[in-house]
Amino acid sequence: EIVMTQSPATLTVSPGERATLSCRASQSVSSNLAWYQQKPGQAPRLLIYGASTRATGIPARFSGSGSGTEFTLTISSLQSEDFAVYLCQQHNNWPLTFGGGTKVEIE
Amino acid sequence: QEQLVQSGSELKKPGASVKVSCKASGYPFTSFAMNWVRQAPGQGPEWMGWINTNLGNPTYAQGFTGRFVFSLDTSVSTAYLQISDLKAEDTAVYFCGRGRAAGGYYYMDVWGKGTTVTVSS
Repeated sequence: EIVMTQSPATLTVSPGERATLSCRASQSVSSNLAWYQQKPGQAPRLLIYGASTRATGIPARFSGSGSGTEFTLTISSLQSEDFAVYLCQQHNNWPLTFGGGTKVEIE
Repeated sequence: QEQLVQSGSELKKPGASVKVSCKASGYPFTSFAMNWVRQAPGQGPEWMGWINTNLGNPTYAQGFTGRFVFSLDTSVSTAYLQISDLKAEDTAVYFCGRGRAAGGYYYMDVWGKGTTVTVSS
């Protein structure tokens, strides 16, 4: 199965700053990558699919890039509601696999 | 609106069984696959597999064969996850997630809030 590795494990950022999160696949997943946001006690919320396509209703400050094995989620100006765990998940091969997550916390 | 409503938390003893439900509304149930995802305490999510809601055939990820069963009742737009012979390591939150295939991509775009299953003697 494809192993997804996210870095850093924790990112400490001030509101209004830019956050850059990384996700690496153990083998190429083409552009078949999704990003989710998860807050404590809640289900994951789809942000991005196809590596760079925002899901319905997702603000433009969230953007995804990359292909193959290296991917990035950028949050251009962090709002208070953006502090959460971010998960990447590949959907190129079965089984679908998730990364361990990056926690974005307030500085 | 499109939503998935899951059944409430369960506390079970080792060796017992549990059945988690996931009721869909706001969209044609049999038009989208249903996935199941497990999240153990402090861990990332783990995809368990999916069920074709049109044909009813399930696909299980490795590690989720034998004791795990996906089923449907399309008359009430509900998917089920049954776990038998529960073990302490089954303690987790179980999510259902609608699978969407679009533009060559497959992702989970609507999720239930999760069902906490606790296995303890």
